[in-house]
Order: sequence, then C-alpha cells, then structure tokens
Amino acid sequence: DAKTTQPNSMESNEEEPVHLPCNHSTISGTDYIHWYRQLPSQGPEYVIHGLTSNVNNRMASLAIAEDRKSSTLILHRATLRDAAVYYCILRDQFTGTASKLTFGTGTRLQVTL
Amino acid sequence: EAGVTQFPSHSVIEKGQTVTLRCDPISGHDNLYWYRRVMGKEIKFLLHFVKESKQDESGMPNNRFLAERTGGTYSTLKVQPAELEDSGVYFCASSLQWAATDTQYFGPGTRLTVL
Repeated sequence: DAKTTQPNSMESNEEEPVHLPCNHSTISGTDYIHWYRQLPSQGPEYVIHGLTSNVNNRMASLAIAEDRKSSTLILHRATLRDAAVYYCILRDQFTGTASKLTFGTGTRLQVTL
Repeated sequence: EAGVTQFPSHSVIEKGQTVTLRCDPISGHDNLYWYRRVMGKEIKFLLHFVKESKQDESGMPNNRFLAERTGGTYSTLKVQPAELEDSGVYFCASSLQWAATDTQYFGPGTRLTVL
C-alpha cells in the first residue's frame, strides 16, 4: 500500500481556516485520497475523498496537487468540535485492498478559543 | 437511521477468559469490517465480511480470534483465550459496497481491557 505522511499535530484558533497537509509521493494512478477523522472517544468518521480534482462538501474541501503527490484538507472555519485526529488514507480501486482502510498516525488538530 | 452500534462499550476480563464483542451494522449494509487499536499503535484492519462470507481476513492476528456473521446481519468477534496484548479498542464499520469510493461508517468502539 502507498504510504502517507502527515504532521503529528497542528493547532488552530477557532473560526479560522485550517490546512492539514498530507504527502503521498508514491501514490499510484488508481489511488483515491480519503480523509477520515476521529473525534475523542468516538469511531473514525468519513470527511471527504477525491481522485484528481479538488472536492468540496459540507464538512471540508480537499485540494489535490497537480502531480497528486500531496493533498491538503481544508476546514474553512475551525470550531472546537473539529478537534480530532485527521487521517489521510489511500485506497486503490483496482486491487483487492480497496476495502480496507490503512490508518497511519494522523494529525492531531487542536482548536483553541 | 441508526448508525453502527457496538456492544458492550467496555469490557474488563481476566487473562485467559473469553469475550465476545457484537456489532450491528447500518441496515442494508452488506459489508462489515472489524478494526482495532491496541495500546499506542495505529488503527489496524482485522477483517471484512460481505454478507455472511469472509472477504478478507488478512488482518486477524491469530487463531484466538473468531469472527462470525451468521445470516449476514450482525457480527460477533470472539477472543478466546484473551491475552494482555489484546487490550485496546475494537471498532466495527459497515458500508453499502466495498469499492475504493465507498464510505465506511464506524461504530463507537468497544474498549477491551484484559487484566
């Protein structure tokens, strides 16, 4: 499986935008980029995913570099509820491993008032 | 619509005992997954059911772990006998399909402590 690299932790002030980076220099052409997050004492939850183009949904935006070797999850206005560990995960659509999520260490986001 | 539910939320057992964890997926989800996070480690995939069949059990650590999904609805994960290193949080997830674009919905987890 292609690996991802994320900073261990980041801090943000409430109501400000947050840019969470992820490096995946060995990504293959068939890998989707997924983001999940884990709030305290909860199971992971889906945030967003993309393949080549930037994506937006009600939770966040995903910006994918042109060479696809990195991506950035953007929370437009961080709230205290966004404090969580964010995981960047690659899923290959053409291998039998598409079903399993491979979690790394993720980025722990702290949001302060 | 109810989400993925897991029972119990916490379990404390002695080494050598047996524990059975239960997962109820979202209604209509044929795909069910088990993951776990043991102390200080990352969340790891254990296995994947499609309906009642094991699609991928490559992450099961050893034969002390037995997962079942009779009838393709809820699933159980039995640990027998439990060892100290089995302590951690066990997550269940479900999805409609298992393509690389499909969202997995996770339950809150079962925290297992083996003394």
